[in-house]
Amino acid sequence: AQSVAQPEDQVNVAEGNPLTVKCTYSVSGNPYLFWYVQYPNRGLQFLLKYITGDNLVKGSYGFEAEFNKSQTSFHLKKPSALVSDSALYFCAVRDNDRDDKIIFGKGTRLHILP
Amino acid sequence: DSGVTQTPKHLITATGQRVTLRCSPRSGDLSVYWYQQSLDQGLQFLIQYYNGEERAKGNILERFSAQQFPDLHSELNLSSLELGDSALYFCASSVEVAGGETQYFGPGTRLLVL
Repeated sequence: AQSVAQPEDQVNVAEGNPLTVKCTYSVSGNPYLFWYVQYPNRGLQFLLKYITGDNLVKGSYGFEAEFNKSQTSFHLKKPSALVSDSALYFCAVRDNDRDDKIIFGKGTRLHILP
Repeated sequence: DSGVTQTPKHLITATGQRVTLRCSPRSGDLSVYWYQQSLDQGLQFLIQYYNGEERAKGNILERFSAQQFPDLHSELNLSSLELGDSALYFCASSVEVAGGETQYFGPGTRLLVL
């Protein structure tokens, strides 16, 4: 069965430092991978996706993620964190070869400390 | 503003009742997705419609049903409501059905079952 793991409930990073939010996945076919962000009291926003091609994907607000097939990971990264990046981040996977279900990780709360 | 609208914003009802949540996709988007976000279950994919047809099914309970109308708006019907159905229900829309398309989320409907 497909699954997504976000091993950290919370990540704290000082402003200006690089940040990483981890995500690993398990699917039987080829994955479509996504990152979404949810700001306090707001809906979800798309950040970036990996479908095929270049393993390094660039997205909104300066975020990027690297697809690593051997490690089945899709970690979200940003070179220099901003206080405004503080939010709840969700990784999601879709197995397009099977049933097209979308599975979300449980979310990681990112705190950027000024 | 994503261009996706959801009504109502808030809904309070009692156990055993039935409610209907409505979603209007962005102009031109043919796919509509429904999600449930709760403290217990996290973020869960419920169902996807594409141009009026069911495209993919997630963890949608039998008490729940959805449909997409010819004008592409969608409704999620929740019946025999239980306390555990209290959650934030999001819809999202996208242009294609391929699976890797970017989704745009509505602001959500917050359902409270008393």
